[in-house]
Amino acid sequence: DTGVSQDPRHKITKRGQNVTFRCDPISEHNRLYWYRQTLGQGPEFLTYFQNEAQLEKSRLLSDRFSAERPKGSFSTLEIQRTEQGDSAMYLCASSLDPARGFGNTIYFGEGSWLTVV
Amino acid sequence: DAKTTQPNSMESNEEEPVHLPCNHSTISGTDYIHWYRQLPSQGPEYVIHGLTSNVNNRMASLAIAEDRKSSTLILHRATLRDAAVYYCILRDGRAGTDKLIFGTGTRLQVFP
Repeated sequence: DTGVSQDPRHKITKRGQNVTFRCDPISEHNRLYWYRQTLGQGPEFLTYFQNEAQLEKSRLLSDRFSAERPKGSFSTLEIQRTEQGDSAMYLCASSLDPARGFGNTIYFGEGSWLTVV
Repeated sequence: DAKTTQPNSMESNEEEPVHLPCNHSTISGTDYIHWYRQLPSQGPEYVIHGLTSNVNNRMASLAIAEDRKSSTLILHRATLRDAAVYYCILRDGRAGTDKLIFGTGTRLQVFP
């Protein structure tokens, strides 16, 4: 069972450093999403891709954040010049295009925990 | 802004049925109702979804009101492993956007 895979699972970094998270979606899933979750809150949408095209970005995605999905398969989320407020769990998810199965399921990975010290 | 409202917490005893309510009074005709749950330190897990009719799967049942302004997730026999935060979410994949807007969910406690 190859679900959504995220790496690394945990990252501790010093303020000001850059970090990158990788997400491998479920095979054949052409939609890929990034969410962020802080303690006690539900996940917040950051961005999503249809194949390699980034179709929507949240205002939460400041200019220090960049997400890519160069070949329409795996994706990376980079945070530059990290701040303590970036400490959170970063969740990746994937699904089929709703047009191919309307109401289809979005599957989440187990998340990448970021602690900025 | 979450388009659904749920109670903050609920309790149940093991092997009893649990009914988790959700209000979504501003639901549109193209919104699907999705339920996810999240165990501690894990990503959200899909539970069930529906559009208009009641739905059943191996995990739960989803009862949707006739006017679609509310729904109820039903766990038929709660187990300790069902203790989690349950999120009720509306999803419209045809509106040029495809994001799930999570609220704070309902924290379900299950007692032995």
